[in-house]
Amino acid sequence: KAGVTQTPRYLIKTRGQQVTLSCSPISGHRSVSWYQQTPGQGLQFLFEYFSETQRNKGNFPGRFSGRQFSNSRSEMNVSTLELGDSALYLCASSFGTGGINEQYFGPGTRLTVT
Amino acid sequence: LAKTTQPISMDSYEGQEVNITCSHNNIATNDYITWYQQFPSQGPRFIIQGYKTKVTNEVASLFIPADRKSSTLSLPRVSLSDTAVYYCLVGGKAAGNKLTFGGGTRVLVKP
Repeated sequence: KAGVTQTPRYLIKTRGQQVTLSCSPISGHRSVSWYQQTPGQGLQFLFEYFSETQRNKGNFPGRFSGRQFSNSRSEMNVSTLELGDSALYLCASSFGTGGINEQYFGPGTRLTVT
Repeated sequence: LAKTTQPISMDSYEGQEVNITCSHNNIATNDYITWYQQFPSQGPRFIIQGYKTKVTNEVASLFIPADRKSSTLSLPRVSLSDTAVYYCLVGGKAAGNKLTFGGGTRVLVKP
């Protein structure tokens, strides 16, 4: 079974631009969660989508948004990029919704904002 | 969500057993304890999950005392490839619960 895939793997953007990251979950998984990882803040939860509905949201500004499609693929969008948005963005999929259920993480997208 | 406390780092040598203890004093009745492993520039990987007593799989054991206020991840006979950050998480399985990662324990296995 193929794992979680994320595209692109690396991205360089300029302040003020917007970016869209994509995540394809493991086949059959209906939940996709997004996380931001930085050296200073560690791994922080952004949001979770299940069956195209946002089920949970972390403490991030409205510039961070996401959506999930009927095939469970998910996209995350960050508008008006700031230098502090430079991070590794990870998505994880699971069969059921609910945080502590076993999640399968993708390799991440490394975003650099200059 | 129960807060967890674990050591920042630990050093070990190849072939030794590594035990990482996580404190979670305010764990709720419905909470499970889960451990993830993360290598640099990769996403975390699920290692093991338990509710009480002892759970063992092919890579690790998880010991949970009766009061469930702490848990210990045991990695038997570690190798250099076990060098990673290990995260202890506590939470429920119901919808609405989100996965909250703490700082993790950086384990360095030396030759």
